[in-house]
Parts: sequence; structure tokens; C-alpha cells
Amino acid sequence: DAGITQSPRHKVTETGTPVTLRCHQTENHRYMYWYRQDPGHGLRLIHYSYGVKDTDKGEVSDGYSVSRSKTEDFLLTLESATSSQTSVYFCAISGRRDRALHEDTQYFGPGTRLTVL
Amino acid sequence: GIQVEQSPPDLILQEGANSTLRCNFSDSVNNLQWFHQNPWGQLINLFYIPSGTKQNGRLSATTVATERYSLLYISSSQTTDSGVYFCASNNAGNMLTFGGGTRLMVKP
Repeated sequence: DAGITQSPRHKVTETGTPVTLRCHQTENHRYMYWYRQDPGHGLRLIHYSYGVKDTDKGEVSDGYSVSRSKTEDFLLTLESATSSQTSVYFCAISGRRDRALHEDTQYFGPGTRLTVL
Repeated sequence: GIQVEQSPPDLILQEGANSTLRCNFSDSVNNLQWFHQNPWGQLINLFYIPSGTKQNGRLSATTVATERYSLLYISSSQTTDSGVYFCASNNAGNMLTFGGGTRLMVKP
């Protein structure tokens, strides 16, 4: 399995507070992604990164920001959490050096369950 | 963007039975993956299969790219096969679009 960890694994917070989720990889993959998973919606892409300091928006980016200052770390920040952001958040990585980017497999972390009260 | 649809949405099997899960996609794809999400929420890669056929133990997958569908076969199902099966694909760049999943329950 790819070396991907997420922290925290569980978090309960209140509406209006800032929250930062961390994804850490030990595989030196180029691409990193943040998804959210909600009942009835499957997995949806929030933001992704294609290199250090290079990020772009996904399908559901409103209310989220990201940063990648090192290859191994990708942070997802909710500046002011809302109840609609209660979800399970997954980080994923891809971009093995021996594969063409669009042909590469994505590997997922264990997920973070976030509850916003 | 590409649309991905999975069927059936739910499936209940008796242990030992075989099953076929289907994934239809709306455009030609560069990447087609199958994942299993176990009851603890972990997403596990099963196959990377933009075309052709692959097998891994009791699981196999076939993608017919020209007809825009992929099939996942589970033979001799076990209770540990329970969970949700997702297919995901893209036709440009690295952004995967996920189907809605097939929820499988295997009864002992």
C-alpha cells in the first residue's frame, strides 16, 4: 500500500471555527488530491496539487483552500467551517515517476471524519 | 466533464455466488479504475484498467473502451467482499470522476 497518512482521523468542531486537515505521503508522488465523500454524492474532488506550490480547484472547491509547501504534505483548510462541510475527507496521491501522468493509479489515505456542529 | 454511472446500486448475494458489476462512462477515457470501500471506510485499489481484461484471484475486470463500459466480476463471493465498489475515470488530466457505487452485501 502507498504510504499515505491523514491527520486528524476524527474531528468535531463548531460552526465558524477554522480547521486544517493534513495529508502526508512518503512515496514522492507528484500529484496529491483532496476529496470529500457524502451519502448520495460519492467522492467529489475539492482541490488537487501537481507540485510544490502548484494547486488547482476541483468540482467542489468553494469554502476550502489548500497549500503544498513540501512534496510530502498537502493541507486542506476550512477557513470558517459550516455544517454543510460535515463529511469524510480523503486524500489521494498519484504520479509515479515511471508512468505517464494520465495513466497513473490514485491511492487513497484512510480518511478524516469531520463533524461541524 | 465525463459522466460515470454504475449498476446495480445495491446487490445482495449469498456466500459463494458470482456477480457482475457494471460501469458506463460517457466519453473515451485515459484512466479507468475500480476501488473497493470496505465497511471500515478504507478505499482499496482493485484494478487500473482503461482497456482489456485483468484478473486478480477471484476478481477480474474487463473494459471495452470502444463501447464505453467496464465490468467487474466477483466469483465465489465471500463475506469479506462486502462494501461499496466504485469505478472512476477521466478523459483528460488527472481528475477522476467517480460513479455512485454499487453497495454489495454478501450473506453467510
